[in-house]
Amino acid sequence: DGGITQSPKYLFRKEGQNVTLSCEQNLNHDAMYWYRQDPGQGLRLIYYSQIVNDFQKGDIAEGYSVSREKKESFPLTVTSAQKNPTAFYLCASSAIGTSSTKSWSYNEQFFGPGTRLTVL
Amino acid sequence: QKEVEQNSGPLSVPEGAIASLNCTYSDRGSQSFFWYRQYSGKSPELIMFIYSNGDKEDGRFTAQLNKASQYVSLLIRDSQPSDSATYLCAVKGGSYIPTFGRGTSLIVHP
Repeated sequence: DGGITQSPKYLFRKEGQNVTLSCEQNLNHDAMYWYRQDPGQGLRLIYYSQIVNDFQKGDIAEGYSVSREKKESFPLTVTSAQKNPTAFYLCASSAIGTSSTKSWSYNEQFFGPGTRLTVL
Repeated sequence: QKEVEQNSGPLSVPEGAIASLNCTYSDRGSQSFFWYRQYSGKSPELIMFIYSNGDKEDGRFTAQLNKASQYVSLLIRDSQPSDSATYLCAVKGGSYIPTFGRGTSLIVHP
């Protein structure tokens, strides 16, 4: 089955500690994204990548870092510089090329199950 | 700054009624529009997309798009308690990156 996996499901971080959230997809999608969601809030874009070895900052990139060494993988590191990291983190992917049936603009995002990060 | 606005709710409807969820957007160049459903503690799942003016129906769901007025809506007919969730509106323009609204919480009570 094709899909997106995230691990771990729950993660606890101590003060001053860096933690890495895993995201893997086997949908052969070019683009991958990281979002943060706080209670009662929408999705805020942290980082995104449309090609291996390239990524761009989203709206709230400070205190986070990413890598894209493989098309299938887009891990997110929450660094100690992120002062309020407690949130629900969502990874997503999408196709960005055209297909025989639709333009790139219609390609929807598929989401992983999420990682809930709590600071102790 | 591209903006997507949704009433946060909660919108409360009785079982069997029609639930109407609305979304407005600021970018006139927006091309495609998506509705995601998110259950509490879970990730969003796509339920509808639309890119042409008018209505698009899929089962109990109907998406309505009016580009001149810059709004998109989602109607849920015969609402069920299992429809209780947060509904996120997402809009894409010239970029492959969508802009999300904050979501509307829907409660369907028996």
